[in-house]
Amino acid sequence: AIQLTQSPSSLSASVGDRVTITCRASQDIRKELTWYQQKPGRAPKLLIYVASNLQSGVPSRFSGSGSGTDFTLTISALQPEDFATYFCLQDHNYPWTFGQGTRVEVK
Amino acid sequence: EVRLVESGGGLVHPGGSLRLSCVASEFTFSDYWMSWVRQAPGKGLEWVANINQDGSDKYYVDSVKGRFTVSRDNAQNSLYLQMSSLRDEDKAVYFCARVRRGSYYDRSGYSYYFDYWGQGTLVRVSS
Repeated sequence: AIQLTQSPSSLSASVGDRVTITCRASQDIRKELTWYQQKPGRAPKLLIYVASNLQSGVPSRFSGSGSGTDFTLTISALQPEDFATYFCLQDHNYPWTFGQGTRVEVK
Repeated sequence: EVRLVESGGGLVHPGGSLRLSCVASEFTFSDYWMSWVRQAPGKGLEWVANINQDGSDKYYVDSVKGRFTVSRDNAQNSLYLQMSSLRDEDKAVYFCARVRRGSYYDRSGYSYYFDYWGQGTLVRVSS
């Protein structure tokens, strides 16, 4: 199974900060990566698909980049509603796998 | 607005069975692959199963193969997950999700992702 390793596992940041989360795949997954945001007690919310495509309705401060094995989710200026956990997902091979998550906390 | 509503979760003894349901609305259910994804308490997300539009193609994570069966009834806009021989490690919130396909490199490649999720249903396994 393809492993996705997110870093960091958690981070503390302030409103307005630029935040970068990385997701590294254990093998080449081309651009077959998706990013989700999840808040406690809620279902995940789609942010970015096919590595860099912003889902409709998601604020433009979110962006994704990368291909192959290395991917990045960037929040250009953190807003109060962005404190949450972020997950990456690969669909290159079965079983589809998620990263372990990155928790973004208030500094 | 697309809506997915799960039901059927509850408390079951180890070795027991449970059937989860997910009712879809506000989209043409029969046009989409559908999935089940679970999340153990305080843990990350785990993909469980996929089923194609007519139910003829199914995929499972290894840990549930032979124990779980995904199915669908397009006439009822419903997705199901029949779970048997339940174990403590199956304890989780189970989400159903709709699968979309995106393309890249001028459509030479495709990536699949979950664009809509239900609210989840909790499965507890305890003696």
